[in-house]
Amino acid sequence: KQEVTQIPAALSVPEGENLVLNCSFTDSAIYNLQWFRQDPGKGLTSLLLIQSSQREQTSGRLNASLDKSSGRSTLYIAASQPGDSATYLCAVKAAGNKLTFGGGTRVLVKP
Amino acid sequence: SQTIHQWPATLVQPVGSPLSLECTVEGTSNPNLYWYRQAAGRGLQLLFYSVGIGQISSEVPQNLSASRPQDRQFILSSKKLLLSDSGFYLCAWSVGGTSTDTQYFGPGTRLTVL
Repeated sequence: KQEVTQIPAALSVPEGENLVLNCSFTDSAIYNLQWFRQDPGKGLTSLLLIQSSQREQTSGRLNASLDKSSGRSTLYIAASQPGDSATYLCAVKAAGNKLTFGGGTRVLVKP
Repeated sequence: SQTIHQWPATLVQPVGSPLSLECTVEGTSNPNLYWYRQAAGRGLQLLFYSVGIGQISSEVPQNLSASRPQDRQFILSSKKLLLSDSGFYLCAWSVGGTSTDTQYFGPGTRLTVL
């Protein structure tokens, strides 16, 4: 059974510092890995999707890497801003169109 | 462009009462549809998914059921709510049949069972 873990559970950084969020998964037989952002009381917004054949994806200040063999992904957010404060969730997709989510990392960027 | 709607946004219900949450998607055909629950202090848990009208797969045994009466409509129901049904319910959709599809989430329904 696939398990997804995100460490740390919470992170607080001053504005301008780079953010590094970690995600690990136990079964490397995945189709893709997706990073989401969730603001309090809101739905999820997709940030980046990395296919199993890819090593990384970039969008603006966001960069996500994937090492499938070791079961790890890292989301980097450069030059953090207070508006980046949110919970970040990673999810892996295996057979059957199902996503398995990690518990999330709650990020606070202090002005 | 595609849009996903959920209602109601918030709901407070007594234990033992029925439940009906609705999700609709616009701008796409034959989507895969999903119901998730996010309980306080816990991760997102997949409850049901559907690849077509009348086709429902249940992921966990529970007090809830799902139906898909139309291509872009997904309904989550219960005959008698339990306290443990409280949580944040999210509907999502994706393009069917590929491994490359992103899941797109609705705004969610906050359910409190008292």
